[in-house]
Amino acid sequence: DIQMTQSPSSVSASVGDRVTITCRASQDISSWLGWYQQRPGEAPKLLIYAASNLQSGVPSRFSGSGSGTDFTLTISSLQPEDFATYYCHQASVFPHTFGQGTKLEIK
Amino acid sequence: EVQLVESGGGLVQPGGSLRLSCAASGYIFSDYDMTWVRQAPGKGLEWVSVIRHRDGSTYYADSVKGRFTISRDNSKNTAFLQMSSLRGDDTAVYYCAKTGSGGTFNYWGQGTLVTVSS
Repeated sequence: DIQMTQSPSSVSASVGDRVTITCRASQDISSWLGWYQQRPGEAPKLLIYAASNLQSGVPSRFSGSGSGTDFTLTISSLQPEDFATYYCHQASVFPHTFGQGTKLEIK
Repeated sequence: EVQLVESGGGLVQPGGSLRLSCAASGYIFSDYDMTWVRQAPGKGLEWVSVIRHRDGSTYYADSVKGRFTISRDNSKNTAFLQMSSLRGDDTAVYYCAKTGSGGTFNYWGQGTLVTVSS
């Protein structure tokens, strides 16, 4: 199975900060990668698909990049509603796998 | 509007069985794969199983292989997850999710809680 490793596991930041989360796949997944946001008590929400494509309705401060094994999610200017947990997801081969999550907390 | 509504969760004893349902609306159900993802309390997301729309082929996580069976009824726009030989580590919120672009999950249900305990 493909292992997805996110870093950091948690990060503290302030409103207005720029934050980058990374995700590394244990083998080449091309651009078969998604990023999700999950707030407590809610279902995950798709932010980015195919590594760098913004899902409809998602604010443009979210962006994704990378291909192959190394990927990043960047939030350009944090807003209060962005404090949540973020997951990467490889959709290249079955079984799909998720990263362990990155919890974004208010500093 | 796309909607996914899970049902069937609850409390079950170890070794028991449970059948989850996912009722879909707002899109052509038969045109898309359907996936189950679970989340144990306080833990991350775990991909569980998928049923492909084209040929009905199925795939499972190793942790559930041989115990869970995914199926779908396109006439009722519903997907199912039959769970048997349940264990304590199957305790989780189970989400169904619709596959969108790039194989990612663009719509999710609200989740249904399965608790395995005596």
